[in-house]
Amino acid sequence: KAGVTQTPRYLIKTRGQQVTLSCSPISGHRSVSWYQQTPGQGLQFLFEYFSETQRNKGNFPGRFSGRQFSNSRSEMNVSTLELGDSALYLCASSLDTPPLNGYTFGSGTRLTVV
Amino acid sequence: AQKITQTQPGMFVQEKEAVTLDCTYDTSDPSYGLFWYKQPSSGEMIFLIYQGSYDQQNATEGRYSLNFQKARKSANLVISASQLGDSAMYFCAMRDSGGSQGNLIFGKGTKLSVKP
Repeated sequence: KAGVTQTPRYLIKTRGQQVTLSCSPISGHRSVSWYQQTPGQGLQFLFEYFSETQRNKGNFPGRFSGRQFSNSRSEMNVSTLELGDSALYLCASSLDTPPLNGYTFGSGTRLTVV
Repeated sequence: AQKITQTQPGMFVQEKEAVTLDCTYDTSDPSYGLFWYKQPSSGEMIFLIYQGSYDQQNATEGRYSLNFQKARKSANLVISASQLGDSAMYFCAMRDSGGSQGNLIFGKGTKLSVKP
């Protein structure tokens, strides 16, 4: 079966712009979470959605937002991009929440802010 | 607060040998889950193995086994018969507790290099 699909794989944006990243979970999975990975901070939790509702949110500024659609696909948006937002953004899905056996991750979107 | 510590930034192992990657954790919750993920240079996080806090036996998945020592709060990953394709970053993670929260807390990772 198809895995977690993230688009686009690579993205270059300019400071001050906004960006939208997309994640399609494994079919049947209703929980989608987003993580930011940087060399300095490592992997940090952004937010989690389950059945179109945000269940949990990490410690990120309000410029980071997300949503989930009725088909469980999720998008995350970052407004007013800063250089420090350059990172690998990973999406993960699971059947339930909290995930009893962990998440299945996508390949990520690598965002570069110049 | 919950925390995952991986003290080995990098490790080398000879092909076909076994290697142990260390992970210690800190939590006051009696119910928790521990995970190991592999991240090759492509970026995707690949699930390797899971250990629940109430599991009586150490988890095993093929060449991967988890050496779970609850009293010492350690969950070391053992890879047997290393292969060149095992070269990657390895992350230990814990499922955050606290009611409905389901996010994972990750360690800083260990970069494993397998030498031919």
